[in-house]
Order: sequence, then C-alpha cells, then structure tokens
Amino acid sequence: DAGVTQSPTHLIKTRGQQVTLRCSPKSGHDTVSWYQQALGQGPQFIFQYYEEEERQRGNFPDRFSGHQFPNYSSELNVNALLLGDSALYLCASSLYRDREGNTIYFGEGSWLTVV
Amino acid sequence: AQKITQTQPGMFVQEKEAVTLDCTYDTSDPSYGLFWYKQPSSGEMIFLIYQGSYDQQNATEGRYSLNFQKARKSANLVISASQLGDSAMYFCASRGLFGQNFVFGPGTRLSVLP
Repeated sequence: DAGVTQSPTHLIKTRGQQVTLRCSPKSGHDTVSWYQQALGQGPQFIFQYYEEEERQRGNFPDRFSGHQFPNYSSELNVNALLLGDSALYLCASSLYRDREGNTIYFGEGSWLTVV
Repeated sequence: AQKITQTQPGMFVQEKEAVTLDCTYDTSDPSYGLFWYKQPSSGEMIFLIYQGSYDQQNATEGRYSLNFQKARKSANLVISASQLGDSAMYFCASRGLFGQNFVFGPGTRLSVLP
C-alpha cells in the first residue's frame, strides 16, 4: 500500500518563474492538504482540497493555487516565484470524514529553491 | 485562532535517558486534537502520538507518552529510553475537529548523545 508520494523531490527555479508540485495521496484517502515549511520553521498551512474543490485556505497570496483531480491526486502551483518561496512543500493526505485527524499522513516533501 | 509554542529550540539527551519536550497551545476551539510529529533530515513528517482534548487519560505509544495538562494548556512529549535514531526535529501541532488544518509550533531539535 503506497503512502503519500510527492514529486519532484528537489528543484531549482529562477525568480519570476512558475512551478508545479504534485502529490498522490495514500490509497483510500480523499483529501489533500499542502503546507510550506521554510528553513528552521514549522510547516504553515496553504490550502486543502476535497472533492476537487478548495475547502480551506491559509494566509497565502493568490500566487499559490491548486487543483485536485478525480483520482484524488493534487497539484500545487506557484506563480511569479520569489526568493522567499524557497521552502520544503509538504503534502498531507487524509479522509475528510476523519474527525480526529490521527490518520493523516505526510509525504517526504518537495524541496524548492528559488535563485 | 490557534497558536503553538515550543520554547526549546534545541535539546540534548544521553542515550537511554528520558527527555521531555515542551509544548503549550492556545486555541478557541471547544474540541481539538494535539499531535506530535518527528521530522528527520529527509523531511517527512512522522506521526508519533495524538491526544484528544476530551480524553481523560494521557496518550501513550510505545516509548512516547504525552503529558496533557488541559488547565495549563500544555501537551509535553516524553520520550523514554532515548535512542540515537531519535535525533530529529520534533513538532507539536494542534487541529480543530472536522477537517481543519494543523497549526504547528516552531519545533525542537533533539540530539541524542552516545
């Protein structure tokens, strides 16, 4: 049973470019959340997708957008990259009906460096 | 709004000793969950232990236990019999019920000394 998979694992982009990160949730999960973790900090919530719709959003600008596909996989897109977007981007998968949240699984993340 | 405070940026512990990592929280949710995650250098967040706000007993998972003091809004992680493989970043997090997102603290870097 595959866990949460993210791609790519590492990438380098130039300021102003656009990037797409991908996440496949754990088998049986229907909800994907994205987090940004800057160096030396805890993860910050970006947004959550369920039934192909954005359900919740954290305090991130519109440059950050996402999508969820019918197979529950998800993409995170960041436009007009800034140096401050350099971070580890974590995907978390879960069941939307999971009230307690103790069946949430994280992927290993995508390390983005903006130069 | 929720906030997690971890006041120990770094901790050292001798192998086989016990260590306590501190966490205090602030939340307006009437029901919530408290979590501890381990993050090795690879980046993956590994779930360690969960405590529901309505649980009467402190949670335990193997060598991990959560010292939950609701009145003091603290949820400290206790690791017994530390192992070299426990060296990592540890994050305390809270989450309201019904699909809400995690709020993470800044983390504590634990180093286990041989």
